[in-house]
Amino acid sequence: QKEVEQDPGPLSVPEGAIVSLNCTYSNSAFQYFMWYRQYSRKGPELLMYTYSSGNKEDGRFTAQVDKSSKYISLFIRDSQPSDSATYLCAMNGPSGGSYIPTFGRGTSLIVHP
Amino acid sequence: DSGVTQTPKHLITATGQRVTLRCSPRSGDLSVYWYQQSLDQGLQFLIQYYNGEERAKGNILERFSAQQFPDLHSELNLSSLELGDSALYFCASSAGQGTGELFFGEGSRLTVL
Repeated sequence: QKEVEQDPGPLSVPEGAIVSLNCTYSNSAFQYFMWYRQYSRKGPELLMYTYSSGNKEDGRFTAQVDKSSKYISLFIRDSQPSDSATYLCAMNGPSGGSYIPTFGRGTSLIVHP
Repeated sequence: DSGVTQTPKHLITATGQRVTLRCSPRSGDLSVYWYQQSLDQGLQFLIQYYNGEERAKGNILERFSAQQFPDLHSELNLSSLELGDSALYFCASSAGQGTGELFFGEGSRLTVL
């Protein structure tokens, strides 16, 4: 079992839809939870960053962390064609004195007009 | 623009050859991470350096090596290349040692023929 599981998709939705992206993980030592967006032929860029359980909202994006279930989610409201990208969850915790983000495989999102 | 610079952007070489990938981190960032991204494996952590010292190692093959120089730029050396080494290689940097945001470069696409 991989440490971080993420459905690769693709997930295809119409413009304006609410998108839900999810990851599960197995390492209970993870403390920091992140979502990155990666456009084709580009490097990942950080979208959301949360510490421990709870919700965090930033504009149209909401990140949720449920440590008891080892489950994290990213919601995108009023999705736009420009949101079409691959979304990678990432998480880390202490490991031998360092913190190394472990990434999910990414979910490909397509928002069609 | 993340501020992380990677060269070369594209590289085509033959099996058995050796290549060097270069990364300049964001100004002021002390940590450099190398990741390999392939379609079937996602983003896989290779190695981390902090202020010139190796801090963590992931699934890095013995044929691969890296270093971080006094000016904080880093190089990833890949030798005895095999077809399976074809992938995108990303460098990321952070100010600290992993609890914060990672800033990714645009990657070096390696094709081994």
